[in-house]
Amino acid sequence: QVQLKESGPVLVQASETLSLTCTISGFSLTNYGVIWVRQSPGRGLEWMGIIWGDGNTDYNSALKSRLSINRDTSKTQVFLKMNSLQTDDTAIYYCARGGGYPDYWGQGVMVTVSS
Amino acid sequence: DIQMTQSPSLLSASVGDRVTFSCKASQNIYKYLNWYQQKLGEAPKLLIYYTNSLQTGIPSRFSGSGSGTDFTLTISSLQPEDIATYYCYQYNSGNTFGAGTKLELK
Repeated sequence: QVQLKESGPVLVQASETLSLTCTISGFSLTNYGVIWVRQSPGRGLEWMGIIWGDGNTDYNSALKSRLSINRDTSKTQVFLKMNSLQTDDTAIYYCARGGGYPDYWGQGVMVTVSS
Repeated sequence: DIQMTQSPSLLSASVGDRVTFSCKASQNIYKYLNWYQQKLGEAPKLLIYYTNSLQTGIPSRFSGSGSGTDFTLTISSLQPEDIATYYCYQYNSGNTFGAGTKLELK
């Protein structure tokens, strides 16, 4: 069955870089895109970016300068890196399958940015 | 950027009620709109895609309608397990979620 699971540090210092991994199973990264979405009380649900099945990426224009999404198809993993973290980047970070209509979601990982 | 406005922000209803959620886009998004349900402590769950297509496994009491800038999600007969926050999401130009409507039992 289709599954996604986020992993990474739960506490990051301000100004540092966040690195998260989304490990998938039950589908191929070459056939589906994977998106990253974050959720916080202040921002609500925010679409961050996508890596498409062909490996191309699109990013939220507000985050583009400090965000990158990559993948390792052999390891069935998708990676998010975001630099220059601030306290308002504190959020639950989700990965999900799909571009147009993300259908399967991971459980999310809560990341706190400490000053 | 396209803004998505959901109303109301809080909705109170009784079991068995017909419940309607509204979502308005700041510009024409044709039918490129999904609805998600999120229960406390869980990830969002896809209910409806492309305005009115029911996701596999979702009960038929959920339905969606609309086009252009105005969209609606309807629960025909509210069940206790439907208590959650509901979000619309557009993917016509960029990708944007609404702020959500929290559904509570009256």
